[in-house]
Amino acid sequence: DAGVIQSPRHEVTEMGQEVTLRCKPISGHDYLFWYRQTMMRGLELLIYFNNNVPIDDSGMPEDRFSAKMPNASFSTLKIQPSEPRDSAVYFCASSIGGGSSTEAFFGQGTRLTVV
Amino acid sequence: GENVEQHPSTLSVQEGDSAVIKCTYSDSASNYFPWYKQELGKRPQLIIDIRSNVGEKKDQRIAVTLNKTAKHFSLHITETQPEDSAVYFCAASNGFQKLVFGTGTRLLVSP
Repeated sequence: DAGVIQSPRHEVTEMGQEVTLRCKPISGHDYLFWYRQTMMRGLELLIYFNNNVPIDDSGMPEDRFSAKMPNASFSTLKIQPSEPRDSAVYFCASSIGGGSSTEAFFGQGTRLTVV
Repeated sequence: GENVEQHPSTLSVQEGDSAVIKCTYSDSASNYFPWYKQELGKRPQLIIDIRSNVGEKKDQRIAVTLNKTAKHFSLHITETQPEDSAVYFCAASNGFQKLVFGTGTRLLVSP
């Protein structure tokens, strides 16, 4: 397996534009997470899904952020409109459930710069 | 919800010395405590984890200890090497897969 795959690796956009980040989890994993990493706040959990259903979106900073998981092999994180303070590295991760917590495997991340 | 605090934020040691990173958590229901290493420009990767039914776990030069009563856990790296230089994150989970991370410790090992 190629691991968790994210695209794009880098994104530079102008303030006010829509940004869509994409993630393909490891096949067979039923949990998918979106994290945001900044120097000031470290790794923040934005939202996570179980079997394609959002379980906890309490970390989503505001209504400009939305996430979807239309099927087991694809998820998107959308920011509309984007702002400079959204600049960060966004990681997608996946794991296998089964009654107890297990290792989360991270993608390579998308470095977002909003100018 | 769970809150994880991590100290120190930066740690500098000489090659061969030991390094210790400490974390505390708030949710007494948490039962899974992984540690991730993130090298510059790369993804976080699991290096060791411990569950609440164990007090200590070792893997070569790395060990983790857990004190459930005090709600804290620590990462110990012995005989540090320059390639151990990275950011280390602790995390806690209550068994429902949701991982809450500490703010990270930047470890620098000087030759």
